[in-house]
Amino acid sequence: GAVVSQHPSRVICKSGTSVKIECRSLDFQATTMFWYRQFPKKSLMLMATSNEGSKATYEQGVEKDKFLINHASLTLSTLTVTSAHPEDSSFYICSATSRGRAHEQYFGPGTRLTVT
Amino acid sequence: DAKTTQPTSMDCAEGRAANLPCNHSTISGNEYVYWYRQIHSQGPQYIIHGLKNNETNEMASLIITEDRKSSTLILPHATLRDTAVYYCIVRAMDSSYKLIFGSGTRLLVRP
Repeated sequence: GAVVSQHPSRVICKSGTSVKIECRSLDFQATTMFWYRQFPKKSLMLMATSNEGSKATYEQGVEKDKFLINHASLTLSTLTVTSAHPEDSSFYICSATSRGRAHEQYFGPGTRLTVT
Repeated sequence: DAKTTQPTSMDCAEGRAANLPCNHSTISGNEYVYWYRQIHSQGPQYIIHGLKNNETNEMASLIITEDRKSSTLILPHATLRDTAVYYCIVRAMDSSYKLIFGSGTRLLVRP
């Protein structure tokens, strides 16, 4: 299957700072990328859908000003957690797909964010 | 809300077939059934999908009942590396491509 990478894999930041997570599709052009968060022993929760060149669509209850998503190219989407707080500590996972791969989404390995 | 119901956990012996059930009684005619799995602390991995017919690939088989209200994912010869959480998801082939994950089934493959 296709390869999706995330960087960093782990990050620890102080409360009040911002942190950026990158999601890259390495071997295909991802017209759509998704961002999920996952708490320990819980399922994945969809945060937003990101289409290349347009504004992200956020799921209900997700603060768009706190979780800034940019999808400036067909291979890169970024999630910036602004003014992070300890409750933002979570496992953030991205996925990517394209029109030609509508039945398959390829997930990144995840980024574990810890806010102290 | 997730449209599927799965057992919380299951286990099977290594080398045996693992049969993971999923109920999707409210599935619409244009919705597909997808299976993904997530090994601990990794991103989910696509396994298989189907609409009406049974499907098989190198990883698994998917059996969908004739009324499409339930399905079973079959791992024919489970290995220890198949220990993971398995998610059954129904989704229409619209332009959003969104996957909404339910609670999944935690499969433990025993040596």
